[in-house]
Amino acid sequence: QVQMQESGPGLVKPSGTLSLTCTVSGGSISSEIWWSWVRQPPGKGLEWIGEIHHTGNTNYNASLRSRVTISINKSKNQFSLRLTSVTAADTAVYYCANLVGLPSDWGQGFPVTVSS
Amino acid sequence: VVMTQSPLSLPVTLGQPASISCKSSQSLVSSDGNTYLNWFQLRPGQSPRRLIYQVSKRDSGVPDRFSGSGSGTDFTLKISTVEADDVGSYYCMQGTHWPPEEDTFGQGTKLEIK
Repeated sequence: QVQMQESGPGLVKPSGTLSLTCTVSGGSISSEIWWSWVRQPPGKGLEWIGEIHHTGNTNYNASLRSRVTISINKSKNQFSLRLTSVTAADTAVYYCANLVGLPSDWGQGFPVTVSS
Repeated sequence: VVMTQSPLSLPVTLGQPASISCKSSQSLVSSDGNTYLNWFQLRPGQSPRRLIYQVSKRDSGVPDRFSGSGSGTDFTLKISTVEADDVGSYYCMQGTHWPPEEDTFGQGTKLEIK
């Protein structure tokens, strides 16, 4: 089964850039899967951030599109999230996931706090 | 497409059934004839997992006390007999109108034991 693990800084300053990486093991990131980022702010529900295909095609949540970039590194079997101009509202647990594949796989989640 | 779940809080006695409703603002029937409605479970301290895909298909390893039903715009997740391990939050997610313009998840339903 595919394992997914998020990594990156857990603390980001306001107006800074949040950068996270998801490492995929037990499977190829070049398979026909759309790789997603999802987040959950404290006390709130799940929010889909966006997704990337191994071809490099991306889709983003319209509300975040101006600040989000998702990229892929096939040689490292990783994909990454970059979110610019962060505020306290971006404080959340960030998950990487394969939402709609068979099977569907998720990372453990990575907490990120935006604070000075 | 807006996904609306109810209830948002669901206290249940152990061994009793539970039911969560999810309504979409548009039909989730795809042009290929399939309906892409998923249910996810988030338990404290664990990775989220999908329970149900395409309305009623159980993911591998999901206990058969979980079932999904519905069509068009109205969907339901049922737990036949609630166990302590079921405590957590449940989210529906549509995959038909993709990529989504609004958020694709419902608000979530928090299940707790009475």
